Amino acid sequence: TQLLEQSPQFLSIQEGENLTVYCNSSSVFSSLQWYRQEPGEGPVLLVTVVTGGEVKKLKRLTFQFGDARKDSSLHITAAQPGDTGLYLCAGRRQIGGTSYGKLTFGQGTILTVHP
Amino acid sequence: EAGVAQSPRYKIIEKRQSVAFWCNPISGHATLYWYQQILGQGPKLLIQFQNNGVVDDSQLPKDRFSAERLKGVDSTLKIQPAKLEDSAVYLCASSATSGRHLPQETQYFGPGTRLLVL
Repeated sequence: TQLLEQSPQFLSIQEGENLTVYCNSSSVFSSLQWYRQEPGEGPVLLVTVVTGGEVKKLKRLTFQFGDARKDSSLHITAAQPGDTGLYLCAGRRQIGGTSYGKLTFGQGTILTVHP
Repeated sequence: EAGVAQSPRYKIIEKRQSVAFWCNPISGHATLYWYQQILGQGPKLLIQFQNNGVVDDSQLPKDRFSAERLKGVDSTLKIQPAKLEDSAVYLCASSATSGRHLPQETQYFGPGTRLLVL
């Protein structure tokens, strides 16, 4: 059972369209991160959100952390072919006091943006 | 600043053979991670080092996998003997963060080693 469920798993759209990727869990996370991974490369961190309800924007990308800190979304406006890649969400839970667990990844969303 | 280096980039072996991967983290990063990423899945943590000590190896299949980080810098991950299901990308990551700052931690990933076990 995946701790973090991403949807959709695959997304194929035309340049200029908008899209949203979701990351859901039944667990509360202290922080939620989004990574982008291109073929043949390692994941690259896009954003970290730590406060429930937090919204962060990175150019055409908008990231939101759910109020209860159990879910997150990534919205891309006017997608471009350069946005093509694997998008991964990853969360870290507090396991007591000032201790935190390992980073747990979702299974990823493969985005293809056609020119 | 140089990124995380990994070698080899690709490896093809037959089942029951041995294989070793090498990782050189970003200079000064105390924390080093090895992840396994099977096709169609997100990375799964195998082992975490803080300097040259193991912090978490709960998901490392210790009957066949081993890892070491001598002198708290470079690290090697070994599989002996390999099984078909070990075919995956092995990612190394490093971080300068530890302790109570972990929620905001940035992990820097290397390009990975693609292993195919036949």
